[in-house]
Amino acid sequence: DTGVSQNPRHKITKRGQNVTFRCDPISEHNRLYWYRQTLGQGPEFLTYFQNEAQLEKSRLLSDRFSAERPKGSFSTLEIQRTEQGDSAMYLCASSRSRQGYNSPLHFGNGTRLTVT
Amino acid sequence: AQKITQTQPGMFVQEKEAVTLDCTYDTSDQSYGLFWYKQPSSGEMIFLIYQGSYDEQNATEGRYSLNFQKARKSANLVISASQLGDSAMYFCASLAGGTSYGKLTFGQGTILTVHP
Repeated sequence: DTGVSQNPRHKITKRGQNVTFRCDPISEHNRLYWYRQTLGQGPEFLTYFQNEAQLEKSRLLSDRFSAERPKGSFSTLEIQRTEQGDSAMYLCASSRSRQGYNSPLHFGNGTRLTVT
Repeated sequence: AQKITQTQPGMFVQEKEAVTLDCTYDTSDQSYGLFWYKQPSSGEMIFLIYQGSYDEQNATEGRYSLNFQKARKSANLVISASQLGDSAMYFCASLAGGTSYGKLTFGQGTILTVHP
């Protein structure tokens, strides 16, 4: 179990640029989640994948955000035309589906995005 | 809709003493799950403990225990024998009943500082 891996750890970009983050979940986990966390707040749910299917998207995920998980393994989160309000920590998590048990989410270290 | 309230922005405890971090939740669901996560300065969210709404006994995991009072809708985290490494942000989170995957609602967190 090598844990959830996120790259890059930090990203500084200018307003209007596009950015892409990558998440590699724990290998046997079929569920993958993206959360966003702003300073002093708890994480907020963005989207969820079961294998390669994106099954839910939060209203927080505007049209400028797109997430993919093409082969049911790693996932990417792209933000187009970044705005200063996009500055946050983007957390990826994974879990294994279990019947009748709320399997805990395992989070990565996050990608901290700063939009200048 | 789920709502988590953590009323203690910051808590201080002496090393080796016990500390209780408060969490109240608001839900109309009959079935739900409650989680506590620890977030050190590195940013990773570390799963600590889980309590299901139908669990009759309070959950325990090593030095962590969850004081679950269903009628009062509270799920306080108790850390016994505090260690310096326990200094971190702590989040309480809930999972709505009928949600089969990890769409968690987090509170705003409590910063715990352990003094030597």
